[in-house]
Amino acid sequence: AQSVTQLGSHVSVSEGALVLLRCNYSSSVPPYLFWYVQYPNQGLQLLLKYTTGATLVKGINGFEAEFKKSETSFHLTKPSAHMSDAAEYFCAVSSYNQGGKLIFGQGTELSVKP
Amino acid sequence: NAGVTQTPKFQVLKTGQSMTLQCAQDMNHNSMYWYRQDPGMGLRLIYYSASEGTTDKGEVPNGYNVSRLNKREFSLRLESAAPSQTSVYFCASSEIGWEGLGYTFGSGTRLTVV
Repeated sequence: AQSVTQLGSHVSVSEGALVLLRCNYSSSVPPYLFWYVQYPNQGLQLLLKYTTGATLVKGINGFEAEFKKSETSFHLTKPSAHMSDAAEYFCAVSSYNQGGKLIFGQGTELSVKP
Repeated sequence: NAGVTQTPKFQVLKTGQSMTLQCAQDMNHNSMYWYRQDPGMGLRLIYYSASEGTTDKGEVPNGYNVSRLNKREFSLRLESAAPSQTSVYFCASSEIGWEGLGYTFGSGTRLTVV
């Protein structure tokens, strides 16, 4: 079975500081990995995804993530936080044999201090 | 706008009442899903439909039923609502292509059972 663990339910950074949100996954087959963002009272929006190929994936709003198979990780980073980045972030995993099902982590709420 | 439409957006039910959450997509996707979101637990899959005419249980199906009415519509029914079903419900649709999985989420239904 696949699973996702997000380390830290709440992360707080200062505006302009590095954002690092941690995600580790478990999968017996090559995974598809995703990061979604949810702003208050809204649905989920795809930030970026990894399926195959280049392990460093760039997404929207300056975010990127690196797939590290040896560490079973897919951490999300952004060099400089902006106030508008405050939201909840979800890491998710799927694979070709999961019928399209996405398995989500518990979520990490990002706060950005002025 | 193309996407996934959920109705209603908000609902308050009394314990024991029934209701149906509606979901429709206009992207010609084969697969559709119902998730519930609870604080600290991420999104958990309730039911999914890999294609028209098929439905399967997800991680937390108890207390729910679904109907894949046609390719566009996938409804979720609570036959006898319980306070434990207070949650935010998201519908999603997807298509699996060569680039992996493409998910689109609706904006959610916020359900309170009193």
